Amino acid sequence: DIVLTQSPDSLAVSLGERATINCKPSQSVLYSSDKRNYLNWYQQKPGQPPKLLFYWASTRQSGVPDRFSGSGSGTDFTLTINSLQAEDVAVYYCQQYYSYPVTFGQGTRLEI
Amino acid sequence: QVQLQESGPGLVKPSQTLSLACTVSGDSVSSGSYYWSWIRQPAGKGLDWIGRVSTTGTTTYNPSLQNRVTISVDTSRNLFSLTLNSVTAADTAIYYCARALNAYSIFDSWGQGSLVTVSS
Repeated sequence: DIVLTQSPDSLAVSLGERATINCKPSQSVLYSSDKRNYLNWYQQKPGQPPKLLFYWASTRQSGVPDRFSGSGSGTDFTLTINSLQAEDVAVYYCQQYYSYPVTFGQGTRLEI
Repeated sequence: QVQLQESGPGLVKPSQTLSLACTVSGDSVSSGSYYWSWIRQPAGKGLDWIGRVSTTGTTTYNPSLQNRVTISVDTSRNLFSLTLNSVTAADTAIYYCARALNAYSIFDSWGQGSLVTVSS
């Protein structure tokens, strides 16, 4: 199984500042034939299901504010939230679909 | 807009069978190239993918659960279901159903989740 390690486990960022969350797969999730990274990012608020933010590592899902961005390739990925707002408090997960079983990172808790 | 809703018993005794259904509204379980998954989350912990079923009934399971799990689709009732045998306390979790638009496991729609507790 591909293990996804997120860092940090938790972080506190001031309103209006930038938050950066990292995700490192135990092996590359870049598929050579299509040059796509098989990695998603989700946001989970308390009492809610996860919400898809990015797929193919950097393609923003419809409706996601552009202060959110996803980047990276291979074994090194980053979710960046600029101009942090109160509603961004959540746990963020990365997920790979390069190989089965699908696996998720352990989550990063973002607080103000 | 598609909506997914889990249903089933909230309490299951150890060694018995957990059964959940995910009713889909706003779309058909048999349309397009959808894949329907079950994912669970123990309280305060991360997400574990259980498995998926395609619109044609093809299944893929997490090897860690493969000998205990069955996922099937019921097109007549527009739902898909999860069966997990021989449960233990370790199976206590919130169980989510989710949709992927194609074979790539990009989960764009989720149910609200159903808490299942395994206890005598």
